[in-house]
Amino acid sequence: AQSVTQPDARVTVSEGASLQLRCKYSYFGTPYLFWYVQYPRQGLQLLLKYYPGDPVVQGVNGFEAEFSKSNSSFHLRKASVHWSDWAVYFCGTGNTGKLIFGLGTTLQVQP
Amino acid sequence: DTTVKQNPRYKLARVGKPVNLICSQTMNHDTMYWYQKKPNQAPKLLLFYYDKILNREADTFEKFQSSRPNNSFCSLYIGSAGLEYSAMYLCASSSRDTNTEVFFGKGTRLTVV
Repeated sequence: AQSVTQPDARVTVSEGASLQLRCKYSYFGTPYLFWYVQYPRQGLQLLLKYYPGDPVVQGVNGFEAEFSKSNSSFHLRKASVHWSDWAVYFCGTGNTGKLIFGLGTTLQVQP
Repeated sequence: DTTVKQNPRYKLARVGKPVNLICSQTMNHDTMYWYQKKPNQAPKLLLFYYDKILNREADTFEKFQSSRPNNSFCSLYIGSAGLEYSAMYLCASSSRDTNTEVFFGKGTRLTVV
């Protein structure tokens, strides 16, 4: 069965530091993978998506993610975190809108 | 306009009473979805409409109803609310043919008392 695991419930980084949010997936075949972000009092917004192709995908606001078939991972990265990145980040898999999400990782940004 | 609108943003309901949540989109998307999000849990797909065809997930089949009177609107209906229905309900839409991004609304926070 398809599943997504986000092992870190909460990650705290200092503003300006680099960031990695982890995501592991279980998927039969070639997966479609996504990262969504939920800012306070907002709906889910797509950060980036992976369809089979280049393993490194670029997203909005300087985010990128790297697909690894050997590690079954799709980690999200950002070189320099801004305070406005404070949000909950969801990794997901699935086709079209039938998405399976992880539990989410809350990113806290320290000044 | 790439927004999905949900009304109301907050809803208070009594146990045993019906609840109706509304969603609309103007992107002419053929598919509309309802997800349920509880604290510390992943968003969970409840059901979706592809055009006029309703598909409900097996484990929520009996608990939720939905209607889609036209392409733009979709509702989620709970016939008799229980405490366990307290959650954030997220509406989303997408175009299946182009496999484009799924757009989510801001959600309706339902509290059942």
